[in-house]
Amino acid sequence: QQPVQSPQAVILREGEDAVINCSSSKALYSVHWYRQKHGEAPVFLMILLKGGEQKGHDKISASFNEKKQQSSLYLTASQLSYSGTYFCGTLPTQGGSEKLVFGKGTKLTVNP
Amino acid sequence: SQTIHQWPATLVQPVGSPLSLECTVEGTSNPNLYWYRQAAGRGLQLLFYSVGIGQISSEVPQNLSASRPQDRQFILSSKKLLLSDSGFYLCAWSVRAGINIQYFGAGTRLSVL
Repeated sequence: QQPVQSPQAVILREGEDAVINCSSSKALYSVHWYRQKHGEAPVFLMILLKGGEQKGHDKISASFNEKKQQSSLYLTASQLSYSGTYFCGTLPTQGGSEKLVFGKGTKLTVNP
Repeated sequence: SQTIHQWPATLVQPVGSPLSLECTVEGTSNPNLYWYRQAAGRGLQLLFYSVGIGQISSEVPQNLSASRPQDRQFILSSKKLLLSDSGFYLCAWSVRAGINIQYFGAGTRLSVL
């Protein structure tokens, strides 16, 4: 089942913060976050595993609430390089043969 | 380190012509392999995935097919392209027994005219 991302699009000025949400109707084992810049392939950002941990990567961090089956991606003090489309991908169970199911994406535009 | 190669980068084909896109992975063994399609401004649609040589699972009925003749080679094919086959095709790999982090190739932009 495809996770639901919100918002669909967001426009920021450089230095502003943003939150992107990813919700699933199924119990989740992991949530993956990817960023795709225009015309390029998606690039892996981080993975959140069952356990409600929060992870960080420079000024981008994420949380995972397994009880609510939700994950949020936090972009702090946004930079122009953060522009792109952010996808979450979800896995219901642990295992190598499960297919990652991606949301429809959130387009983030950071303006000077 | 692992790398994934995908070619060609761009392709313009007439309707009804055949298609062959190739993807190879280096630096790992027994990977899971995936083909995705992305229409302009849209999300990632999983087309095929493979957990081993000759093992292909199809996600969407269409005029495309996939083959995995070698452990680290994944091929996407069509006998006759349709206009609706236009899009950005992405190959990806992940470790077989793991948490399924997927790493994408650079993609092939296909225009069917």
